[in-house]
Amino acid sequence: NAGVTQTPKFRVLKTGQSMTLLCAQDMNHEYMYWYRQDPGMGLRLIHYSVGEGTTAKGEVPDGYNVSRLKKQNFLLGLESAAPSQTSVYFCASRRKQFNQPQHFGDGTRLSIL
Amino acid sequence: AQKVTQAQTEISVVEKEDVTLDCVYETRDTTYYLFWYKQPPSGELVFLIRRNSFDEQNEISGRYSWNFQKSTSSFNFTITASQVVDSAVYFCALSTNAGGTSYGKLTFGQGTILTVHP
Repeated sequence: NAGVTQTPKFRVLKTGQSMTLLCAQDMNHEYMYWYRQDPGMGLRLIHYSVGEGTTAKGEVPDGYNVSRLKKQNFLLGLESAAPSQTSVYFCASRRKQFNQPQHFGDGTRLSIL
Repeated sequence: AQKVTQAQTEISVVEKEDVTLDCVYETRDTTYYLFWYKQPPSGELVFLIRRNSFDEQNEISGRYSWNFQKSTSSFNFTITASQVVDSAVYFCALSTNAGGTSYGKLTFGQGTILTVHP
């Protein structure tokens, strides 16, 4: 019952460093999403993907890049980390039917010093 | 544009009290889904319920109940006889079809922190 798995769970970076967050789902879901959660702001969509090889920008895409080379994986990259990117990042996936809920991973807590 | 407002930032109750979490949404689309998610202190997001815009029936699941009213654009969540384990952040979220191009993106409210004291 893995569902949506995020790697790593915690990371501390220095300003300017780069890193990639990995999201893997084993439910054969078509759609995948990356969100960030900040205090008092709920979750905000960074990027999303509706299928292998396709990605699109969400509400707050600046400073992030994504790739979906395989259906089950959705990668979120930070090329040059900034303190403003300190946040908790959630990945989600769902079936393409409109009425389906999103299933979330456990989150990655990222601190940029 | 879509918007979800959870006006209650924090609620504190004593165990066994009933508590209602408010959610008000805005959308121009006629076809949409509303969701509630729970985020316990451990941090994961747990799906609780889904309601579509054409179904205004209230729903009850154990101690949980949901009241959907299109006339007031509200989708409120009530916990009866609250328990300490109900302590969590609760999020209301909206997904619209927007002519088939929204790809199920969720617009979240800011969340309500519920603390249930023993």
